[in-house]
Amino acid sequence: DAGITQSPRHKVTETGTPVTLRCHQTENHRYMYWYRQDPGHGLRLIHYSYGVKDTDKGEVSDGYSVSRSKTEDFLLTLESATSSQTSVYFCAISESRLSRDTQYFGPGTRLTVL
Amino acid sequence: SQQGEEDPQALSIQEGENATMNCSYKTSINNLQWYRQNSGRGLVHLILIRSNEREKHSGRLRVTLDTSKKSSSLLITASRAADTASYFCATDAPGGTSYGKLTFGQGTILTVHP
Repeated sequence: DAGITQSPRHKVTETGTPVTLRCHQTENHRYMYWYRQDPGHGLRLIHYSYGVKDTDKGEVSDGYSVSRSKTEDFLLTLESATSSQTSVYFCAISESRLSRDTQYFGPGTRLTVL
Repeated sequence: SQQGEEDPQALSIQEGENATMNCSYKTSINNLQWYRQNSGRGLVHLILIRSNEREKHSGRLRVTLDTSKKSSSLLITASRAADTASYFCATDAPGGTSYGKLTFGQGTILTVHP
């Protein structure tokens, strides 16, 4: 998984609680992405980062926030988790801003919101 | 709506047979990529084809791109049980290549029986 770890790998939480997922990379890649994967929807981009403290919204950003204080860490926060946020979350990294470059994916975090 | 959509949704074949998956997209692209996802794992990049290319090969993989039809196909020749996985096409975001954003299709589930 190309020097990318995600933590936790599994989490069960209750509606209304805050949740933070962590993505950590050892590749020193500049670009990082958070996706969610749901049956029937494929992967959808939540937020992405193009540098330390530089982030922007993706396709499905409502209810999520991100932070990147160091090159190697990209945090995804659900301020108040809802059942619709039950999903598998993947972090990805990329070396450059060019869409022709490969994205490398982490192993995923399975989140269940009860 | 999804930029890329794969067809068929599921494909079941015997070892040694060829597997063909198709991807259609809606808007113009610069590049199209194919990724594989084994059960419970993150996505792994397989191959990229640029909009000015018509065909590309990598080992047992053959990808074609028809920009006039806005479609691509992935052919896996002489399939093996280890090829059992989900396969996704990904296109760069409509309107440009800003920050490497990709849009993924819903995927084709390939099962190769020994």
